[in-house]
Amino acid sequence: AQSVTQLDSQVPVFEEAPVELRCNYSSSVSVYLFWYVQYPNQGLQLLLKYLSGSTLVKGINGFEAEFNKSQTSFHLRKPSVHISDTAEYFCAGCRNTGFQKLVFGTGTRLLVSP
Amino acid sequence: ETGVTQSPTHLIKTRGQQVTLRCSSQSGHNTVSWYQQALGQGPQFIFQYYREEENGRGNFPPRFSGLQFPNYSSELNVNALELDDSALYLCASSSGRDRAEHGYTFGSGTRLTVV
Repeated sequence: AQSVTQLDSQVPVFEEAPVELRCNYSSSVSVYLFWYVQYPNQGLQLLLKYLSGSTLVKGINGFEAEFNKSQTSFHLRKPSVHISDTAEYFCAGCRNTGFQKLVFGTGTRLLVSP
Repeated sequence: ETGVTQSPTHLIKTRGQQVTLRCSSQSGHNTVSWYQQALGQGPQFIFQYYREEENGRGNFPPRFSGLQFPNYSSELNVNALELDDSALYLCASSSGRDRAEHGYTFGSGTRLTVV
């Protein structure tokens, strides 16, 4: 069985400050990992994904994440946030072979204030 | 390239009623998955359809059922609604079964409220 844990339910940060949103996964098989963003009253938008290869993955809107197999982590980072980054962020994973269903974490609300 | 369209956007139903939610997949996508997102939670996988057949199912009771049509649009049906069914229901399409690396495109969801 797979599980995804997001350790922080809410992360407050000031505009232009760096931010890290934490995600840990548990799986007995190799996985693909994703980060999605959800703005109010909207669906999920893919920020970035890790499939294989380089452990540092760059996504849209200046976000990046690093896959760390030994620590089973896939933390999301941005060096300088904007007010418009205020949203809910979800980490998700699925096995990389066989039937693939996305398993989501509970989400982290990023609150950016001026 | 059109995205994933879901209808209706909002719905209020009474406990015990039945509801049908609809989803139009992104052009070229033949696989659709449905997720339930309760308030303050992450999305939970309900089931997936590939070429009109159920391809996998999450931990949801049989009163949650679905259909996929030849044009790859899809329906989610929920019978005997319960208060706990109140949630945002998300549809996601992808370009093939077991092709998560190609990515999923999510719709904006249907907000179902059961009273």
